[in-house]
Amino acid sequence: QVQLQESGPGLVKPSQTLSLTCAISGDSVSSDSAAWNWVRQSPSRGLEWLGRTYYRSRWYNYYPVSVKSRITINPDTSRNQFSLQLNSVTPEDTAVYYCARVISLDPTDVFDIWGQGTMVTVSS
Amino acid sequence: QSVLTQPPSASGTPGQRVTISCSGSSSNIGRNYVYWYQQLPGTAPKLLTYRNNQRPSGVPDRFSGSKSGTSASLAISGLRSEDEADYFCAAWDGSLSDYVFGTGTKVTVL
Repeated sequence: QVQLQESGPGLVKPSQTLSLTCAISGDSVSSDSAAWNWVRQSPSRGLEWLGRTYYRSRWYNYYPVSVKSRITINPDTSRNQFSLQLNSVTPEDTAVYYCARVISLDPTDVFDIWGQGTMVTVSS
Repeated sequence: QSVLTQPPSASGTPGQRVTISCSGSSSNIGRNYVYWYQQLPGTAPKLLTYRNNQRPSGVPDRFSGSKSGTSASLAISGLRSEDEADYFCAAWDGSLSDYVFGTGTKVTVL
């Protein structure tokens, strides 16, 4: 049974960097048939995909235009996890952050497994 | 981003059938798979249907997904009290190169 678990600070100051980790159990971050994603949810913005990392003979990352300039997603094969770093945060980045898996080689498939989510508040 | 349009609410009595719509465009629903999720308060989304009309193991056959053109639907038959939750759709948008999500529908069991 695949499980994902997010962890990280619940409070971040404006202009600082938001850093979260997603621990994977029951699958491998190095799987060549999965992609590992971050998604956030807030009442004002709804659900928003932040990007993904995946391994297909080498590592790839993909970020949507909306956050591309501020975001980095990295795999950590030694710990079987992946991370999110979002720079220059503002109160608009306050949200519940989820990690999620896509189990497919088809880039149009959507998420099958989600973590429980972690609330991050951006405030001084 | 919430590009897909859903009704904000739907309701029914136990045993009834409830249908939730999800309206998109040719760049998302029209060309790509639709997924449906159930989200109970304070919990992670749970996959109900994938690739338009497929059900993961463990999801009751009371839940069924369908797609026609640029719209999709989730039907819940034999409504039960534990079905009271938020439901949303999702798809890949080829023009945006981004995942798009529904606005969400709150289902109430009367």
